[in-house]
Amino acid sequence: GAVVSQHPSWVICKSGTSVKIECRSLDFQATTMFWYRQFPKQSLMLMATSNEGSKATYEQGVEKDKFLINHASLTLSTLTVTSAHPEDSSFYICSARPGAGGAYEQYFGPGTRLTVT
Amino acid sequence: GQNIDQPTEMTATEGAIVQINCTYQTSGFNGLFWYQQHAGEAPTFLSYNVLDGLEEKGRFSSFLSRSKGYSYLLLKELQMKDSASYLCAVMDSNYQLIWGAGTKLIIKP
Repeated sequence: GAVVSQHPSWVICKSGTSVKIECRSLDFQATTMFWYRQFPKQSLMLMATSNEGSKATYEQGVEKDKFLINHASLTLSTLTVTSAHPEDSSFYICSARPGAGGAYEQYFGPGTRLTVT
Repeated sequence: GQNIDQPTEMTATEGAIVQINCTYQTSGFNGLFWYQQHAGEAPTFLSYNVLDGLEEKGRFSSFLSRSKGYSYLLLKELQMKDSASYLCAVMDSNYQLIWGAGTKLIIKP
C-alpha cells in the first residue's frame, strides 16, 4: 500500500515553455501533498505544501507564479513549471501524506527529472 | 533556527554494522524519520520514532533520545545494495519535515 506515482518520469523541454508534472496517490487519500526539488548531490528542498481544495503554501524564495500547484482532489496534485529556464533543470519529487488516522510519514513518488534546453 | 546534522559520508564493509548519527535542533518535535535514497531515485521510508528508545525492523534499527536531540540509524549485516544516501528528517511543531543533508553510505566488498 501507500503508492505514489508521478508522470512523466523525465521530460526535456525548450526554454520558455511550460511543463506539467502530475502526482497521484494510488491507494490512499492524501489530504496533504508536498513538492520538493533536488539538485545533484544536494538534499531535498521543500518547494510548497498543498492541501486539497485550498491554495498551496510556498516556501520562502519559491515563486508561486512560476511554479503553479493545483491540488484538485484527494488523489491528485499537479505542478506546472511556467516559462522554464535552464536553471529550473532539476529532479522534482512529490510526496503525499495520508489523512486523519494515518501516521505522519510521507510517501514519495519516483520523481520527475526535468531538463530545460 | 532549525538544524539537522548528520555526517556527509561514511564507508563500511559488506557484512559489517554501521551507525549513522543525526542530531537536531527544531522548533517543536513531532517525530523523527529516516529515509533511504538511492542515486537518481526518490526517498523511501525506513523508520519513524516519536518516543525514546530503539525501534527494530529487520536489519535496520533506529534509536531516539529526545532529551539529547539525537537519533541514530543502525544497519546490520550490510549488503552492497545498502549503498545509498540516508536522510534524517524531523517533524516540527507545524508538522513540517525539516530535512538533513543526508549521509552517503559507501559499502565496500
